[in-house]
Amino acid sequence: DQQVKQNSPSLSVQEGRISILNCDYTNSMFDYFLWYKKYPAEGPTFLISISSIKDKNEDGRFTVFLNKSAKHLSLHIVPSQPGDSAVYFCAASEGNNNAGNMLTFGGGTRLMVKP
Amino acid sequence: NAGVMQNPRHLVRRRGQEARLRCSPMKGHSHVYWYRQLPEEGLKFMVYLQKENIIDESGMPKERFSAEFPKEGPSILRIQQVVRGDSAAYFCASSRTRSDGTDTQYFGPGTRLTVL
Repeated sequence: DQQVKQNSPSLSVQEGRISILNCDYTNSMFDYFLWYKKYPAEGPTFLISISSIKDKNEDGRFTVFLNKSAKHLSLHIVPSQPGDSAVYFCAASEGNNNAGNMLTFGGGTRLMVKP
Repeated sequence: NAGVMQNPRHLVRRRGQEARLRCSPMKGHSHVYWYRQLPEEGLKFMVYLQKENIIDESGMPKERFSAEFPKEGPSILRIQQVVRGDSAAYFCASSRTRSDGTDTQYFGPGTRLTVL
């Protein structure tokens, strides 16, 4: 029972263009969402998060959009750079106003940014 | 400010041996989590601990796996009598609750366990 799904296992984008990574979830109790970037043989690196009270959060080249009615979120990277090539994981938790909630991860999307 | 530290980075064990994985959280973080990533899969939650307490172990296999976070020293994930199916990357994360109520988990580099 996958509560967080990333349906695209891979995505290829030209340098300078926009990368859009998508994530769907089924658990309506999720109220905090995060994106992590992961290089091979390293741990996930936190990128950006969004609380369910918002529908958009922006940090530099990264923007996360949340559509609660569709249970869908997306990560936009613009402009994309070759160094952005990595696996991106979407994660969700419930009850974030309480500390220490487990994260449920999607299966990841491998982004390749071509020079 | 050092990040989450994990050691060893790579661990090779034969079937039936014990594996001990260590995690030191970021300074000021009181929450520690362990996740496991099998090949070609996402990370799966195993256990959440605070100092001297297991808070949530709903993702931990019922047998052979245990975790602790003592008052002094790192958190330890212990796997007894390892089997080939235990081969995976094990990631530790730590967090603290900020003033706005959010609680972001930061991950260590992982321990890659190989069972021969």
